[in-house]
Amino acid sequence: KNEVEQSPQNLTAQEGEFITINCSYSVGISALHWLQQHPGGGIVSLFMLSSGKKKHGRLIATINIQEKHSSLHITASHPRDSAVYICAVGGSQGNLIFGKGTKLSVKP
Amino acid sequence: DAGVTQSPTHLIKTRGQQVTLRCSPKSGHDTVSWYQQALGQGPQFIFQYYEEEERQRGNFPDRFSGHQFPNYSSELNVNALLLGDSALYLCASTRGTASSYEQYFGPGTRLTVT
Repeated sequence: KNEVEQSPQNLTAQEGEFITINCSYSVGISALHWLQQHPGGGIVSLFMLSSGKKKHGRLIATINIQEKHSSLHITASHPRDSAVYICAVGGSQGNLIFGKGTKLSVKP
Repeated sequence: DAGVTQSPTHLIKTRGQQVTLRCSPKSGHDTVSWYQQALGQGPQFIFQYYEEEERQRGNFPDRFSGHQFPNYSSELNVNALLLGDSALYLCASTRGTASSYEQYFGPGTRLTVT
């Protein structure tokens, strides 16, 4: 079993829909990261959180430390949100452990 | 302020050859981590460099080695290339070694081994 599990693996939505991507982890962490990867490979950090909730524009990330679960929400989705969204957890040693990613496609 | 840069962008090598990939961290960052991302998979941690020393290493063979220079830039070397080494190689920089620091990623080097 992978230490970081994401669901769903693939997600297709219509423009304007509310989107939720889930991440569960099985290790102790110091922080959880949500990352966005566009075709071609570049990765951009969206959020880093260790408790509670963060909001940035149409993106919201939450984490429940007790349940070892985090969610990434996108409100009013747009085709430019199409990308792979990756959850990664940071351990005490300094490295990140990544999930396999969720491929999101938003149709106009 | 330039972000993280990597070179080359793409590389094609033959089995058995050796390759060197380069990474320059974001200005002000002193820690560089390297990751391998196979097609359709999440990145896998290779190693992390801080103060010119390897601090942490993932589950990769000794064929994978690295170096960090006094200006904090870093190299990843892979010897005796295998077909399975074909992947996107990403470097990320942070100010400090903790995983609770925001990571800045480079665009990656896509390595193809034939």
